[in-house]
Amino acid sequence: DQQVKQNSPSLSVQEGRISILNCDYTNSMFDYFLWYKKYPAEGPTFLISISSIKDKNEDGRFTVFLNKSAKHLSLHIVPSQPGDSAVYFCAATNTGKLIFGQGTTLQVKP
Amino acid sequence: NAGVMQNPRHLVRRRGQEARLRCSPMKGHSHVYWYRQLPEEGLKFMVYLQKENIIDESGMPKERFSAEFPKEGPSILRIQQVVRGDSAAYFCASSQDVNSYNEQFFGPGTRLTVL
Repeated sequence: DQQVKQNSPSLSVQEGRISILNCDYTNSMFDYFLWYKKYPAEGPTFLISISSIKDKNEDGRFTVFLNKSAKHLSLHIVPSQPGDSAVYFCAATNTGKLIFGQGTTLQVKP
Repeated sequence: NAGVMQNPRHLVRRRGQEARLRCSPMKGHSHVYWYRQLPEEGLKFMVYLQKENIIDESGMPKERFSAEFPKEGPSILRIQQVVRGDSAAYFCASSQDVNSYNEQFFGPGTRLTVL
């Protein structure tokens, strides 16, 4: 039972443009959502998070949007940079343990 | 470097052997989580421990896998009688307390290969 889904395995964007990564969830009990970035052979690095009582959180070039009625969240990266190329995981929790999506590989082309 | 440390980084075992993966949490962190990433998949929660206690082991396979976080020393994930399907990257994360959702810091992982 995949409670957190990232339906796009990969995304390619041009440098300077917006990257939009999407994530859907099924468990309405989740109260916190997070995005992690991961490079090969490294552990995930925390990027940005959002509580279920909010619908938007912004940190520099990264913005996360939460639509609770649709059980959908998205990560916007503006402007995208080649160094953003990595695998992005969304995660959700209400107990401390994180439930991860399958990941989306983002490639930002110069 | 006060980050989460895991060792070994790479571990090769033959079928039937035992694998021991170690995790030292960040200084001041008393909560440890283990996750497993199988090839082409996302990370899957395995177990959550506090010092000397297992809080949630709902993601642990019922057999051959065990975890501990003793009062002194690192957390250990132990896999007995490994099989090829155990080949994966095992990540440890730590946090200061259970409510620090956005401060769950991950280690670099241990890549287990079972021949």
